[in-house]
Amino acid sequence: QVTLRESGPALVKPTQTLTLTCTFSGFSLSRSGACVSWIRQPPGKALEWLALIDWDDEKHYSPSLKTRLTISKDTSKNQVVLTMTDMDPEDTATYYCARMTWNDNWFDPWGQGILVTVSS
Amino acid sequence: QSVLTQPPSVSGAPGQRVTISCAGNSSNIGTGYDVHWYQQLPGTVPKLLISATHNRPSGVPDRFSGSKSGTSASLAITGLQAEDEADYYCQSYDVSLSAWVFGGGTKLTVL
Repeated sequence: QVTLRESGPALVKPTQTLTLTCTFSGFSLSRSGACVSWIRQPPGKALEWLALIDWDDEKHYSPSLKTRLTISKDTSKNQVVLTMTDMDPEDTATYYCARMTWNDNWFDPWGQGILVTVSS
Repeated sequence: QSVLTQPPSVSGAPGQRVTISCAGNSSNIGTGYDVHWYQQLPGTVPKLLISATHNRPSGVPDRFSGSKSGTSASLAITGLQAEDEADYYCQSYDVSLSAWVFGGGTKLTVL
């Protein structure tokens, strides 16, 4: 059974850097085709894809946010970390991590999500 | 502004059939990339509903079906039930953006 769980701060201040960790089980990110992605959803708004890292350590970022995002993985710990710099109140959202298999291009399953509020 | 365009809302009475459209362009759906659909029940995590345009994961009722034509895709729900009331999102890949993209979401109301 594949599961993912997000962890990190619930509250960050404007201009700070957000660091989120996705801890997963049931698959290996070193196996060919395995990928983990981050997706966010502001309250009452739509889903927005942020970043993806694959089994070969290739990284992909949303064009609109790529200057602020860094994704990395620790295969031995089954973790993927996302950092987002220069946080703004508009970055307030629920952040999800999800598994994807290369060539499938869909996200399944998703973690429970973590609500991050940006406020001073 | 989402890359994939969905109607903000649709509604239907129990037992009826509704469709939700997802309009893309020649950089995403039109390139041949599959469309996937997610259901997000109120207050819950998005769940994969349809993969690769028309495949239903295990456990998804056959009342849900997907299709694609040209640069657009559709999700059809037949025999509407109260439990279908949720937000629905389409998703694909955009080669121009080199990014995975979502629609803006459609809120389904069962009257």
